[in-house]
Amino acid sequence: AQSVTQPDIHITVSEGASLELRCNYSYGATPYLFWYVQSPGQGLQLLLKYFSGDTLVQGIKGFEAEFKRSQSSFNLRKPSVHWSDAAEYFCAVGAGGGGNKLTFGTGTQLKVEL
Amino acid sequence: SQTIHQWPATLVQPVGSPLSLECTVEGTSNPNLYWYRQAAGRGLQLLFYSVGIGQISSEVPQNLSASRPQDRQFILSSKKLLLSDSGFYLCAWSKYGGGTGMGKTQYFGPGTRLLVL
Repeated sequence: AQSVTQPDIHITVSEGASLELRCNYSYGATPYLFWYVQSPGQGLQLLLKYFSGDTLVQGIKGFEAEFKRSQSSFNLRKPSVHWSDAAEYFCAVGAGGGGNKLTFGTGTQLKVEL
Repeated sequence: SQTIHQWPATLVQPVGSPLSLECTVEGTSNPNLYWYRQAAGRGLQLLFYSVGIGQISSEVPQNLSASRPQDRQFILSSKKLLLSDSGFYLCAWSKYGGGTGMGKTQYFGPGTRLLVL
């Protein structure tokens, strides 16, 4: 069974600074990978996804993520953080083949200092 | 475009009372549907998922149940709520097709905040 680890529970960055949120997965084959963002009291919004092909994927709100098979990682990055990026971020993995379930990480809470 | 609705947005219920949360999806046919619970400070726990009308898979044994009476309607129910049922309930959908990336891409509703007292 697949698993996802987000090692950072909380991260604080200054507005305008760069951001990297870590995500490591465990899965034997090429996984389907996702990043979601959740603002307080709201549902999850899809930021970006990786299925195959180019390992650097671009998403909404200026975010990007890079799939590194050798490191089993799918880290989320943004070159310059805005105060509105403060939220919780979830990494998720889906297995190949049949089945539709995703396995989510426990999330990283991002705080942005002005 | 597709839209997912959940209601109510907030619910306060006494212990032992029944529960019914509703989720509907517009703009797509035969979606996969999911119910998640998010307890305070925790990640997402998949409760149920459905690939078609009347087809429900349960992930976690509990006093909750789910039903899918129509193609784009998913209902979460309980006969008697427990304190531990408090949390944020999220419904999600994905396109039909489990073997594809599109079938695995889930889109979430706005959620229902449930407080059991």
